[in-house]
Amino acid sequence: AQKVTQAQTEISVVEKEDVTLDCVYETRDTTYYLFWYKQPPSGELVFLIRRNSFDEQNEISGRYSWNFQKSTSSFNFTITASQVVDSAVYFCALSDPNSGNTPLVFGKGTRLSVIA
Amino acid sequence: DGGITQSPKYLFRKEGQNVTLSCEQNLNHDAMYWYRQDPGQGLRLIYYSQIVNDFQKGDIAEGYSVSREKKESFPLTVTSAQKNPTAFYLCASSWRDRNYGYTFGSGTRLTVV
Repeated sequence: AQKVTQAQTEISVVEKEDVTLDCVYETRDTTYYLFWYKQPPSGELVFLIRRNSFDEQNEISGRYSWNFQKSTSSFNFTITASQVVDSAVYFCALSDPNSGNTPLVFGKGTRLSVIA
Repeated sequence: DGGITQSPKYLFRKEGQNVTLSCEQNLNHDAMYWYRQDPGQGLRLIYYSQIVNDFQKGDIAEGYSVSREKKESFPLTVTSAQKNPTAFYLCASSWRDRNYGYTFGSGTRLTVV
């Protein structure tokens, strides 16, 4: 069975601190996709990144970076020099092409509060 | 611009009344989904539909019903059988190959008094 675990329920940091959000996943397949979404206070989930299991290169986009490690089944998300606008709930999700067209499996989310 | 529209943004209903939440997409996506989110909770799947006139129950389908008569539309009815209907409801859509991820609507906050 597929599973996504975001062990950090809530994190608070002071502005300009770096913060890492953890995501650990379980799947029996070798081909799969991982996602991160951001849910700001407005409520809509915004897509941040999609990564397939064959691409283990780390990704950097501005202050955001993602560390994908198949050896530990983790896909962690780091925000560098955090800002108040980064305050949101962040969800990690998993998609397995070999499980039929079943819906994405989401973690329970991590609420990040960045304090000015 | 393509996207998903959920309406209304806020909805108030009296206990015992059925209420229908609207979800419309113009992305030409095949699949559509309904999620429920309670304060401090993650996303719980209510129903999903991969093609017109077909839908499947998610993890918490009891007390809800859906229809998919058109590709663009996937309305959710919260019935009086739903014991705790007050929540934030999110609609999403995707290609049949959901490995490209979902596009989400902005949500409807339902309050039952």
